Amino acid sequence: DSGVTQTPKHLITATGQRVTLRCSPRSGDLSVYWYQQSLDQGLQFLIQYYNGEERAKGNILERFSAQQFPDLHSELNLSSLELGDSALYFCASSPGGAGVYHEQFFGPGTRLTVL
Amino acid sequence: AQKITQTQPGMFVQEKEAVTLDCTYDTSDQSYGLFWYKQPSSGEMIFLIYQGSYDEQNATEGRYSLNFQKARKSANLVISASQLGDSAMYFCAMRETNTGNQFYFGTGTSLTVIP
Repeated sequence: DSGVTQTPKHLITATGQRVTLRCSPRSGDLSVYWYQQSLDQGLQFLIQYYNGEERAKGNILERFSAQQFPDLHSELNLSSLELGDSALYFCASSPGGAGVYHEQFFGPGTRLTVL
Repeated sequence: AQKITQTQPGMFVQEKEAVTLDCTYDTSDQSYGLFWYKQPSSGEMIFLIYQGSYDEQNATEGRYSLNFQKARKSANLVISASQLGDSAMYFCAMRETNTGNQFYFGTGTSLTVIP
């Protein structure tokens, strides 16, 4: 158990809908990262937050948004869902925003299926 | 250019033998970190080992060691005495300072341990 929690574990929804994925980082970790893992595109970095502020942005679509709250939990909002958004969405946390020496700890992931 | 390259989509190893999973990286930064993660079929991402760019000795964690060749920009993972439970996807990742400590992942290598 990495200490990172994600809810829900599974989510099945229809095209055009909106969903929210939730992540609680490990106790004391200030950084939260979101990733999308699909079969054809591997593990794609979406976005990073550090202590409530956006720190880095990767291949995140405009239909997707995220935020980190004062209690450090984070939510990833996916809207106008398309079939291609079906994937495993990971949240990861690490202790600091700066410094390359901290590993990330991954949550169990949320498997999103868009029908 | 790809930040992380894993050229072996699939590897097979006999149980109790050692195996090397290749990883090369691309960075102009002097300060960076290299990581390996394991993803079993259950889906979770498990941190295995870390190597810092300034570390002079190769990192080791139990049966895992990282063969770090800085001049060649390679960070190969060596698993000794393979076990059936080592069958999984293995991802190499890098974190560098000059891109805001973003993590970059390779496409992964699928390792199968044969009894």
